[in-house]
Amino acid sequence: EVQLVESGGGLVKPGGSLRLSCAASGFTFSSYSMNWVRQAPGKGLEWVSSISSSSSYIYYADSVKGRFTISRDNAKNSLYLQMNSLRAEDTAVYYCARVLRNGMDVWGQGTTVTVSS
Amino acid sequence: SYVLTQPPSVSVAPGQTARITCGGNNIGSKSVHWYQQKPGQAPVLVVYDDSDRPSGIPERFSGSNSGNTATLTISRVEAGDEADYYCQVWDSSSDHSLWVFGGGTKLTVL
Repeated sequence: EVQLVESGGGLVKPGGSLRLSCAASGFTFSSYSMNWVRQAPGKGLEWVSSISSSSSYIYYADSVKGRFTISRDNAKNSLYLQMNSLRAEDTAVYYCARVLRNGMDVWGQGTTVTVSS
Repeated sequence: SYVLTQPPSVSVAPGQTARITCGGNNIGSKSVHWYQQKPGQAPVLVVYDDSDRPSGIPERFSGSNSGNTATLTISRVEAGDEADYYCQVWDSSSDHSLWVFGGGTKLTVL
């Protein structure tokens, strides 16, 4: 079964850091680009970051550029998002998603990040 | 950056046809993807590349894209189709937001 499982969310104070992980299974992880997408409470979907299959290409939304770092370990079938200098507006459910033809065909169940003092 | 505009809500009676639009400048030149999201759940891809369906998605879900409007059509709507629906494109013309989502449309089945 193709599956993505996020972990690492939690409560963090403004200015703090958090590292999210996404474990992939059931497909050849190293063949796919991967995205992080977030959803603030009661709001819509927002793309956060993308990484190509071999990590050659990395992109960030303006809202997180310079604060978040995406990475992957193909040997461990894992995707990561290092989040630094967190702000209240980063509070959201964070999803990892597999990229297919510039859409996203497989999504994890999400992990919740709450930034609050 | 590229902007996608969706109506906040659409209502339809069971058995009828729901049409959810997604407007964008010359969106017909882009590939549009549609996602269904039920409360407390992750999004699910229901249409990709304008009109293709992933395996497991009912034929009742279809899509079209031309000019400045893409449309997700749900035929013979069922109560279980009640959800939020998002359109999405990949905008290669900007390095500010490559994967662009519409604001979402809440489909209510009356």
